[in-house]
Amino acid sequence: EDKVVQSPLSLVVHEGDTVTLNCSYEVTNFRSLLWYKQEKKAPTFLFMLTSSGIEKKSGRLSSILDKKELSSILNITATQTGDSAIYLCAVELSGGYQKVTFGTGTKLQVIP
Amino acid sequence: DAMVIQNPRYQVTQFGKPVTLSCSQTLNHNVMYWYQQKSSQAPKLLFHYYDKDFNNEADTPDNFQSRRPNTSFCFLDIRSPGLGDAAMYLCATSRDGAYGYTFGSGTRLTVV
Repeated sequence: EDKVVQSPLSLVVHEGDTVTLNCSYEVTNFRSLLWYKQEKKAPTFLFMLTSSGIEKKSGRLSSILDKKELSSILNITATQTGDSAIYLCAVELSGGYQKVTFGTGTKLQVIP
Repeated sequence: DAMVIQNPRYQVTQFGKPVTLSCSQTLNHNVMYWYQQKSSQAPKLLFHYYDKDFNNEADTPDNFQSRRPNTSFCFLDIRSPGLGDAAMYLCATSRDGAYGYTFGSGTRLTVV
């Protein structure tokens, strides 16, 4: 059974801290790994990672994939209260199924 | 702007009374998905359309049906909603599953 595990499940930090969120996966037919930010509505897309070792950056957020370790991390530097959200990791599968398997998410709370 | 629109944003229905949720997209994506997300859980795929081909997940209850009359629209029908069907329902689209997913803002369903 395909599985995506995120850690920690929840995290509380102070503004300005740097956080690292983890995602590990066990799937057949890996195609890509996706990170989403979910506030009170639908997930919004952050990154798609397909190649090991290549960091993707967007402002204070960055992410990298390690295919050998079957894992990915999402880093957020200089956190702000607006970063408070659930961060979802998902693995996209190939082989004609065209679907993703989501992790349960990491709930991040940034306090002033 | 091209987007995925779900209507209504909030839906209250009576126990056992059929309800339909709608999703439309202006992205011209050929794949459309319906996810169910319960509180504090990851989105769970119910089914998806690859073009006109319907693909049901093995564990999706028979109570849930879907229609896709054309590329732009997709409907989720719940024939006899139970209390356990109260959730956020997310519609998503992709082009051949090739790049991330675009989610709609979701419909929060309450069953009374």
